[in-house]
Amino acid sequence: GDSVTQMEGPVTLSEEAFLTINCTYTATGYPSLFWYVQYPGEGLQLLLKATKADDKGSNKGFEATYRKETTSFHLEKGSVQVSDSAVYFCALGGSQGNLIFGKGTKLSVKP
Amino acid sequence: EAQVTQNPRYLITVTGKKLTVTCSQNMNHEYMSWYRQDPGLGLRQIYYSMNVEVTDKGDVPEGYKVSRKEKRNFPLILESPSPNQTSLYFCASSLSSGFDEQFFGPGTRLTVL
Repeated sequence: GDSVTQMEGPVTLSEEAFLTINCTYTATGYPSLFWYVQYPGEGLQLLLKATKADDKGSNKGFEATYRKETTSFHLEKGSVQVSDSAVYFCALGGSQGNLIFGKGTKLSVKP
Repeated sequence: EAQVTQNPRYLITVTGKKLTVTCSQNMNHEYMSWYRQDPGLGLRQIYYSMNVEVTDKGDVPEGYKVSRKEKRNFPLILESPSPNQTSLYFCASSLSSGFDEQFFGPGTRLTVL
């Protein structure tokens, strides 16, 4: 069945460091791909998405490119801030119109 | 303000005592869903609803019930809670399917003793 695998955390970085969180997926066809973010004590919120191969989603300095060849959707940010500390979830649109989430990666950014 | 609300936010109960967690959205969304979040397991979908009177099982539906009598409300019912249902629960809604941006409620932390 459809599934998402993302790198396990926690990830700890210093402010202004470069961030990559890896995400790969298994699915039939070409699903839409998403990154959601969960700040401490809150529900998830959509960070960015891509709906077809080679699409790049971007928001708040974060980017991810839909790579069909490698079935990947890695999240990147050039310079992280303390306020980026959160749990990041990769997800794909399943064949039944639902979202399938990865297990989440906790990011801590130190000043 | 567009939002998804859940009540209660925190609940401690005992095994076997029926409970309902309410979920309401004010965005006129068709799609609503319930998830549970557990350490090391991420989010797993319990049930979802594509429209009024239409509900379907997600990945972990055992021990839960839902209903969708009105578009705005999607309560989660635990008829006989057990300790393995101790978790953080999220309700979410989106315009028409899970592929649209999902808006999440603030979560309900449930402890079953």
